Amino acid sequence: DVKVTQSSRYLVKRTGEKVFLECVQDMDHENMFWYRQDPGLGLRLIYFSYDVKMKEKGDIPEGYSVSREKKERFSLILESASTNQTSMYLCASSPPARLAGEETQYFGPGTRLLVL
Amino acid sequence: AQSVTQPDIHITVSEGASLELRCNYSYGATPYLFWYVQSPGQGLQLLLKYFSGDTLVQGIKGFEAEFKRSQSSFNLRKPSVHWSDAAEYFCAVGPGGGADGLTFGKGTHLIIQP
Repeated sequence: DVKVTQSSRYLVKRTGEKVFLECVQDMDHENMFWYRQDPGLGLRLIYFSYDVKMKEKGDIPEGYSVSREKKERFSLILESASTNQTSMYLCASSPPARLAGEETQYFGPGTRLLVL
Repeated sequence: AQSVTQPDIHITVSEGASLELRCNYSYGATPYLFWYVQSPGQGLQLLLKYFSGDTLVQGIKGFEAEFKRSQSSFNLRKPSVHWSDAAEYFCAVGPGGGADGLTFGKGTHLIIQP
């Protein structure tokens, strides 16, 4: 079974703090993603990465950055946390699209972040 | 740009009754379509997916979905719901797989009445 783990289930930070959210997958997947989930808005893509040291902006990258130094690990960084970044953050991974039907994204359990 | 619409924010169904959750998408080419379920406090679990071939797709937990290109729809169905089906359901469309993210609908919250 694919396993995607996130370092924290719940996190409380103060405005202005630098926040690191860590995601690790154990299936040697090339692609990794960060989403945020807000009530009434569904999931929105923040950043994704298709290889080590590669990153692409998603739909809402402002206020975030990412790091992918190793294939299995994808970190989301809030350089200076703000209250409007209070949300549920979901990490996902997927294999490359070389094989039809293999593009499924697998999600971690999520990190619920509260910024005070 | 691609988009997904789930017209029902909340749906209430009696236990044992049938269920249909609606999903409409907008996408310029042949879409990859997914249904995910999220139980309270949990991440997303894949229920089923459509890439090509048979337009009626079977998934886990007794769910199925039918792709109708003419209606740009991918509705999720279950003949008889169980109390454990109470959750948030998300429809998503992809660009053809690989390194791009999915576009999700805003979700439908399913409530099961005893």
